[in-house]
Amino acid sequence: QSALTQPASVSGSPGQSITISCTGTSSDVGGYNYVSWYQQHPGKAPKLMIYEVSNRPSGVSNRFSGSKSGNTASLTISGLQAEDEADYYCSSYTSSSTPNVVFGGGTKLTVL
Amino acid sequence: QITLKESGPTLVKPTQTLTLTCTFSGFSLSTSGVGVGWIRQPPGKALEWLALIYWDDDKRYSPSLKSRLTITKDTSKNQVVLTMTNMDPVDTATYYCAHSGEYSYGFYFDYWGQGTLVTVSS
Repeated sequence: QSALTQPASVSGSPGQSITISCTGTSSDVGGYNYVSWYQQHPGKAPKLMIYEVSNRPSGVSNRFSGSKSGNTASLTISGLQAEDEADYYCSSYTSSSTPNVVFGGGTKLTVL
Repeated sequence: QITLKESGPTLVKPTQTLTLTCTFSGFSLSTSGVGVGWIRQPPGKALEWLALIYWDDDKRYSPSLKSRLTITKDTSKNQVVLTMTNMDPVDTATYYCAHSGEYSYGFYFDYWGQGTLVTVSS
């Protein structure tokens, strides 16, 4: 069982917006602004899409945005495109036990 | 341009020790703040953070696997090595190494290797 909880799947039509949630605790998501999001296409390595809750690395589309409220972080994708269909993982710094990083269980995004 | 590539055996037997090497270019692991981590992903399952080594040789391990993992670096060769003892079929996964930048504190990875699939089977 992953430390961070994500919905198993979400879906949306092209042009729509979707939001993926990532729920943790005050020891991780809620306590620190070190939430990041990764996109992973089948057979490929993960790609960093958001870091430190809401920052986009250079080259990532501004259709991707991140936010956090309490112990839940969210990734929003606006103007859905077919190429956005992928698995998405959140991760967070955690201070529980030995400080390190934990991942969520992943969310499969289907573009209808 | 930062690149990373994992290498090692594709098949190991139960109880054996796995040794994986991450060879990288485009950055130095002697630069303050920089780290290299290992993450694995069983087939069809989620990512799992394993270990990370910082530029100053500070090391962090997953609490659930700490007793089985060792991470080391060879700055002169631009390599990071992960060893995992007592391999079990449940350790079958794609193993990735990844770069954590000087301002990332090891908390996220901006460049990833292609991954290497390791199967544990007799």
